[in-house]
Amino acid sequence: KAGVTQTPRYLIKTRGQQVTLSCSPISGHRSVSWYQQTPGQGLQFLFEYFSETQRNKGNFPGRFSGRQFSNSRSEMNVSTLELGDSALYLCASSLQDGPREQFFGPGTRLTVL
Amino acid sequence: LAKTTQPISMDSYEGQEVNITCSHNNIATNDYITWYQQFPSQGPRFIIQGYKTKVTNEVASLFIPADRKSSTLSLPRVSLSDTAVYYCLVGASNTGGFKTIFGAGTRLFVKA
Repeated sequence: KAGVTQTPRYLIKTRGQQVTLSCSPISGHRSVSWYQQTPGQGLQFLFEYFSETQRNKGNFPGRFSGRQFSNSRSEMNVSTLELGDSALYLCASSLQDGPREQFFGPGTRLTVL
Repeated sequence: LAKTTQPISMDSYEGQEVNITCSHNNIATNDYITWYQQFPSQGPRFIIQGYKTKVTNEVASLFIPADRKSSTLSLPRVSLSDTAVYYCLVGASNTGGFKTIFGAGTRLFVKA
């Protein structure tokens, strides 16, 4: 069974631009979560989607948004990029809602210049 | 959401047993305890999950005392490849879904 895939793997943008990251969960997984990882702040929860509905959101500004499609694939968007948005963005999927094993993708490394 | 506290780093030698303790004083009745392992530039990988007492799988054991205010991840006979960051998470499903909060993690360095 294929794992969680994220595209692109690497991305370089400049301040003020916007970016869209994509995540394809493991087949059959309906929950997708997004995380931001930086050396200074560690792993921080962005949001979780379950059956196309955002179920939880972390403490990030409105510039960070996401969505989930009917096939459970998910995208996250960051508008008006700032230097501090440079990070590894990780997507994780799980079979169901609630306490359960999450399967993480390799991440998208975003660099904002 | 229960906050977790772990040692920032630990050193060990190959072949030793490593125990990493996580404190979660505000754990709620519905909360589970989950541990993940992360290597540089990779996503975290699930190790083990438990609710109470002891859980064991092929790679680790998880010990949870009766009050559930702490938990200990035990890695038997570590090798160099176990050098990684280990995260303890506490969380449960609420009415709106599941929110995962990672702490700072414990950086384990295994020496030859």
